[in-house]
Amino acid sequence: QKEVEQDPGPLSVPEGAIVSLNCTYSNSAFQYFMWYRQYSRKGPELLMYTYSSGNKEDGRFTAQVDKSSKYISLFIRDSQPSDSATYLCAIAETGANNLFFGTGTRLTVIP
Amino acid sequence: ETGVTQTPRHLVMGMTNKKSLKCEQHLGHNAMYWYKQSAKKPLELMFVYNFKEQTENNSVPSRFSPECPNSSHLFLHLHTLQPEDSALYLCASSQNPSGGTYEQYFGPGTRLTVT
Repeated sequence: QKEVEQDPGPLSVPEGAIVSLNCTYSNSAFQYFMWYRQYSRKGPELLMYTYSSGNKEDGRFTAQVDKSSKYISLFIRDSQPSDSATYLCAIAETGANNLFFGTGTRLTVIP
Repeated sequence: ETGVTQTPRHLVMGMTNKKSLKCEQHLGHNAMYWYKQSAKKPLELMFVYNFKEQTENNSVPSRFSPECPNSSHLFLHLHTLQPEDSALYLCASSQNPSGGTYEQYFGPGTRLTVT
């Protein structure tokens, strides 16, 4: 069983739509949850970082963690063509160097 | 710019060549990482250095040899690679996780093609 599962998509939405990206994980010891955005031919860029359960909002982005369901989400409001990228979730245990990444979801926002 | 630079950005090498990838971070971090990114696969952690000491080697073949001369620089020496080693190689840095900080910041990557 993979540590992290992520639907690879691809996902296409019209500009202005609300986007929901999701990951599930298997290890209840995971405490740190991150979302990265990766544009084509670039390295991953950290978008959101949360610890334990709850919501965190940053502009048009909201990260949500449900530890009871082992489920994390990234919501993008008022999506823009510039949001077109691959979104990676990453999860870690306390004190560990190792981040477990999902395979990434490729998102296209159509003008 | 994330504060992590990598050179070269693209590299084509034959299976008998020897080459090196370079990474430099300007963030004052003390942990550095090498990852391999292949199509449709999660990022694979290869090596971890904390305070210049290698703390993880995820069963990486010996044809990949890392070097970390100081907390700001990381190299990946390559020799006798195989075509299946073609991938995007990413360097990342972070504060040491024992301090409770886990965000890793990535460089742009080196696109490696082995012919």
